[in-house]
Amino acid sequence: EADIYQTPRYLVIGTGKKITLECSQTMGHDKMYWYQQDPGMELHLIHYSYGVNSTEKGDLSSESTVSRIRTEHFPLTLESARPSHTSQYLCASSEGGGVKEKLFFGSGTQLSVL
Amino acid sequence: KNQVEQSPQSLIILEGKNCTLQCNYTVSPFSNLRWYKQDTGRGPVSLTIMTFSENTKSNGRYTATLDADTKQSSLHITASQLSDSASYICVVSDRGSTLGRLYFGRGTQLTVWP
Repeated sequence: EADIYQTPRYLVIGTGKKITLECSQTMGHDKMYWYQQDPGMELHLIHYSYGVNSTEKGDLSSESTVSRIRTEHFPLTLESARPSHTSQYLCASSEGGGVKEKLFFGSGTQLSVL
Repeated sequence: KNQVEQSPQSLIILEGKNCTLQCNYTVSPFSNLRWYKQDTGRGPVSLTIMTFSENTKSNGRYTATLDADTKQSSLHITASQLSDSASYICVVSDRGSTLGRLYFGRGTQLTVWP
């Protein structure tokens, strides 16, 4: 069982609100990721980090931002939420190196913007 | 264009029966192929990871096969259980890429009926 936690599990908010999705892992992993997933669709990488003070944008353009001040914490922020941001957001971290690097996912945050 | 296609999109089987899920990919160069199980409302959990040189990998009642020549993989589930009901996702990584740049399929939604 992976020790990676996301809060909240569900969030319903109004348009224009600022929100932060929390992600923490207790495994000491340097690498962390944020994915976005819509029902029946593939996961899309929106942000990743290879260590403290290191963040990069992923393959899918996103209006969100991330920070990595501590190894265990990788929060995602939306400054002004819109209905198009409604989706499931999955946080992940990885261990090991090379071709068999293992990825661990959190349980996700289901975001609904009204 | 690097793609991962899974079939069928959804599948219903009776408890105790076997089933096979398919994954075709066009990702090149190829590094490794992963199968994940994602329960509804949860994050994906790793089942198997196979590199170019591995033809088969088992994890309990789950057996994955890989044919790197035809760029096909399958996931065989033996003696299905109700708890096998989930989405099964095929993920391919290209050689030399960072782990963050994985190519995800849309998944096969498996439902096991009693």
